[in-house]
Amino acid sequence: QQQVKQSPQSLIVQKGGIPIINCAYENTAFDYFPWYQQFPGKGPALLIAIRPDVSEKKEGRFTISFNKSAKQFSLHIMDSQPGDSATYFCAASMMGINAGKSTFGDGTTLTVKP
Amino acid sequence: DGGITQSPKYLFRKEGQNVTLSCEQNLNHDAMYWYRQDPGQGLRLIYYSQIVNDFQKGDIAEGYSVSREKKESFPLTVTSAQKNPTAFYLCASSIRQRGTEAFFGQGTRLTVV
Repeated sequence: QQQVKQSPQSLIVQKGGIPIINCAYENTAFDYFPWYQQFPGKGPALLIAIRPDVSEKKEGRFTISFNKSAKQFSLHIMDSQPGDSATYFCAASMMGINAGKSTFGDGTTLTVKP
Repeated sequence: DGGITQSPKYLFRKEGQNVTLSCEQNLNHDAMYWYRQDPGQGLRLIYYSQIVNDFQKGDIAEGYSVSREKKESFPLTVTSAQKNPTAFYLCASSIRQRGTEAFFGQGTRLTVV
């Protein structure tokens, strides 16, 4: 079964800290790696995404680092703020017959303390 | 505005009853998905559909049924056979080409009373 393994399950940091969330995948056919942010009672929304032909992508305070050989990718949140407190999901999707179908990690609940 | 609309936001059901959750999208996406989310847990795939009049079981399809008669609509029925139906249900859609993002609705919280 295709899997994406995410860690840690929960994370608490002080305001201004740099939380890091890690994900690992098994299937080398994955070719798109998005991160989603979910606030309580809401649906997840795309935060940032990367394809395996680049090793890093930055959008504002959010950075994805991608290690193709290790089949790992991570999310870094620079200068974290209390408003970043949410659940973060990594995911992976691929080409082919099920193009667009995502496999999700189990999520990381981030708390940023003021 | 383009997006995915789920209704209702909150739904209460008596044990033994079937209930249908609505999901409509105007993004012109071919693929649609239903996920279940339990407190503190990830997203588990119930059913998905890549084209009209076709759908596939996900990881936890037992006790659920779907239909895809129109591109825009993908309703989910939670049947009385689903033993633990209380959960947060999320509908999503995506385009059908190389890896791409999913767009999610705001969810329906189902409670069995």
